[in-house]
Amino acid sequence: AQSVTQPDIHITVSEGASLELRCNYSYGATPYLFWYVQSPGQGLQLLLKYFSGDTLVQGIKGFEAEFKRSQSSFNLRKPSVHWSDAAEYFCAVGWGKLIFGQGTELSVKP
Amino acid sequence: ETGVTQSPTHLIKTRGQQVTLRCSSQSGHNTVSWYQQALGQGPQFIFQYYREEENGRGNFPPRFSGLQFPNYSSELNVNALELDDSALYLCASSSDPYEQYFGPGTRLTVT
Repeated sequence: AQSVTQPDIHITVSEGASLELRCNYSYGATPYLFWYVQSPGQGLQLLLKYFSGDTLVQGIKGFEAEFKRSQSSFNLRKPSVHWSDAAEYFCAVGWGKLIFGQGTELSVKP
Repeated sequence: ETGVTQSPTHLIKTRGQQVTLRCSSQSGHNTVSWYQQALGQGPQFIFQYYREEENGRGNFPPRFSGLQFPNYSSELNVNALELDDSALYLCASSSDPYEQYFGPGTRLTVT
């Protein structure tokens, strides 16, 4: 079955600290992978995507993600978190129909 | 370039009623997908429309139906509303299957 698992429901990091959000997927074919961010009461904004090629992809707002086929993972990273990064983050896989994880809520403490 | 817009922003309905949600796709996009996001959950795929035809459906009952118009805007209709239909309904448009751009959503509350 196709699925996405985000093991961490809630993460708190200090401003300026590094961040890694985990994502594991189960998908039969070559996965198209995405990370979206959602601020409270808002829609989803695409941070970055992986289709093929270089397994380290750069996105907006200083985020990057690394695709590891052997681990079925697509973890999101940021070297230095800003207070404005506090939001809900969703990993998704799919082609046309997107399958989302349950999300990770990020809190940033000053 | 205008992004994806949805209306209304919020809606309160009574169980058993019917509701229509609207979505205007981003300029140049011919595909619209609808998702349901329950509180504390990730979005779940309802269905997708490509050039006015349904092009894939998730695990939702037939009382969830949709339309896409020649200008590629779209409607989501839900009949016989149930309490569990309370959610944020998200519309996403795209010009290819890969990269979907989401609107701000419609918050539906069923009482």
